[in-house]
Amino acid sequence: DQQVKQNSPSLSVQEGRISILNCDYTNSMFDYFLWYKKYPAEGPTFLISISSIKDKNEDGRFTVFLNKSAKHLSLHIVPSQPGDSAVYFCAARLSTGGGNKLTFGTGTQLKVEL
Amino acid sequence: EPEVTQTPSHQVTQMGQEVILRCVPISNHLYFYWYRQILGQKVEFLVSFYNNEISEKSEIFDDQFSVERPDGSNFTLKIRSTKLEDSAMYFCASLRGRGYTFGSGTRLTVV
Repeated sequence: DQQVKQNSPSLSVQEGRISILNCDYTNSMFDYFLWYKKYPAEGPTFLISISSIKDKNEDGRFTVFLNKSAKHLSLHIVPSQPGDSAVYFCAARLSTGGGNKLTFGTGTQLKVEL
Repeated sequence: EPEVTQTPSHQVTQMGQEVILRCVPISNHLYFYWYRQILGQKVEFLVSFYNNEISEKSEIFDDQFSVERPDGSNFTLKIRSTKLEDSAMYFCASLRGRGYTFGSGTRLTVV
């Protein structure tokens, strides 16, 4: 049951350049999408989110784009910094189940090199 | 900034033993969750809790699992008889509005 997929397990980017992390989903009932950053042995840390009624949300160096027709979202980080090196998860919310649960993708390991 | 606190950070238990994982969610949050991440895999939903009852649970959350909010501040996950495959990081989360906040997790190792 892979309703949320991140097809790139890893991504390597040079410092100062743009990082683009991608996420695809299959359930058109998802109404809210989030990106989390995770370090080993720590919990996911919220980065940015977007409602399904929008196509872009920006917060500082982070921008999330949503293409509902393609069931695709992406996270852009610009400029990338070494401290951005972590695993990035996209997550999608389904409000209809009653619990507002999140479904996570498998994660993309981002490495920002000097 | 308010935090979700989880204890212990690491728990080692023998197969068949009962374990209780503890969480203190953010006080004015309304929904409480348990998720787990088996090493190398994705974060998986276990259960959501709202208004003192389970609002949704996954297939993973079978009769061996239970949750409780005994005193209005703590939120616990009990695994009655642990199996080797229960070894994972367990994350507690709480939600108000659209803000989900996760704890730093409990690493459960079943030997």
